[in-house]
Amino acid sequence: EVQLVQSGPEVKKPGESLRISCKGSGYRFTNYWIGWVRQMPGKGLEWMGIIYPDDSDTRYSPSFQGQVTISADKSSSTAFLQWSSLKASDTAIYYCATLTGFNPQRYNWFDSWGQGTLVTVSS
Amino acid sequence: QSVLTQPPSVSAAPGQKVTISCSGSSSNIGNNYVSWYQQLPGTAPKLLIYENYKRPSGIPDRFSGSKSSTSATLGITGLQTGDEADYYCGTWDTRLSAGVFGGGTRLTVL
Repeated sequence: EVQLVQSGPEVKKPGESLRISCKGSGYRFTNYWIGWVRQMPGKGLEWMGIIYPDDSDTRYSPSFQGQVTISADKSSSTAFLQWSSLKASDTAIYYCATLTGFNPQRYNWFDSWGQGTLVTVSS
Repeated sequence: QSVLTQPPSVSAAPGQKVTISCSGSSSNIGNNYVSWYQQLPGTAPKLLIYENYKRPSGIPDRFSGSKSSTSATLGITGLQTGDEADYYCGTWDTRLSAGVFGGGTRLTVL
């Protein structure tokens, strides 16, 4: 059974850096795309980007390109979402999720989800 | 403004049927598979439908999906109070080279 376990809630100040994590188990981590989805308070889902851990091929939504960095560590089966300088507008729940299939355009659905990480950015 | 357009809300009585629409364009729904997700209050989204109409194991056949041209539809029959949730459509957008979601539809079972 695929399991994605995310790191705990974070409270940060504007301008600080942050990295949150998502540890996969129950499947071959290197062979599934893993992605991140943002949900701002009271709002809908936003597709941020995905990474293929085997070769670190990364695709970003234009809305998030340059705003965050997605990475993965094969040795620990963990994906990361990172900010270098947080803004109040980054306050949201962030979900990681897997795409099952080598071609993310063809197999574009997220079939397993983490529990979400709440990031709060406030001065 | 989401790339995919969904109605903000729908409602129906228990036992009835409801449909939720998702409208896009040739760069997304028109040429890629559509999926649907259910998000119960305070929980992570769950995959309901993939490849336009297929259901993952464990999803009851009360949930159905269809696609026509640049639009997709989620159908739910035999509505239950436990179906009250937010529903999202998703697909790939070839022009953006990224995935996209609809804005979400809140289902109320009256």
